[in-house]
Amino acid sequence: SQQGEEDPQALSIQEGENATMNCSYKTSINNLQWYRQNSGRGLVHLILIRSNEREKHSGRLRVTLDTSKKSSSLLITASRAADTASYFCATDRYGYSTLTFGKGTMLLVSP
Amino acid sequence: GAVVSQHPSRVICKSGTSVKIECRSLDFQATTMFWYRQFPKQSLMLMATSNEGSKATYEQGVEKDKFLINHASLTLSTLTVTSAHPEDSSFYICSANDHGGGREQFFGPGTRLTVL
Repeated sequence: SQQGEEDPQALSIQEGENATMNCSYKTSINNLQWYRQNSGRGLVHLILIRSNEREKHSGRLRVTLDTSKKSSSLLITASRAADTASYFCATDRYGYSTLTFGKGTMLLVSP
Repeated sequence: GAVVSQHPSRVICKSGTSVKIECRSLDFQATTMFWYRQFPKQSLMLMATSNEGSKATYEQGVEKDKFLINHASLTLSTLTVTSAHPEDSSFYICSANDHGGGREQFFGPGTRLTVL
């Protein structure tokens, strides 16, 4: 079942701007991950943040996690047209191997 | 990084026929594979969890007899859509991990199924 909600559902920005996407979830989690999907393609893993971590960086990506609010944010800095894609958060729980995906944010970066 | 392949990437079939989709982990052994379904502009919905050498675990609402899953080896899982109908048209994606406990899953490129 889908437990994640991302907002915004769609985001349109200009190259060079920052893009922020948010994800909320309902149950306690073990890890939260962000994935990217180009149209009609599979998913690419971006970053994983554990429930005991609050912030993580990878290149132009910054992820925060607030377990008290059951929410996470993904920030892409200095966006590029090639960042155009859908972005999904996914959570897993202790003792379970399955991922539960959010509804995703469609990001459009215009040159 | 770990690579997961799917075959075919695209398939068109007539209503009533069965379609088999393969998911392979190319450079690691996948004790667990997952099958997802994705409708246009929607998120991924987990259909089933496939464990090597045992029966798949299906999510609620997924018909076991319609979506047959076989995980005969540590590098191959297959999804067979039996007696396909137009409403089965969708994007089917598999993923795999070699930890068996969540964390990062490696996704295949997906299979676009169109049932006429």
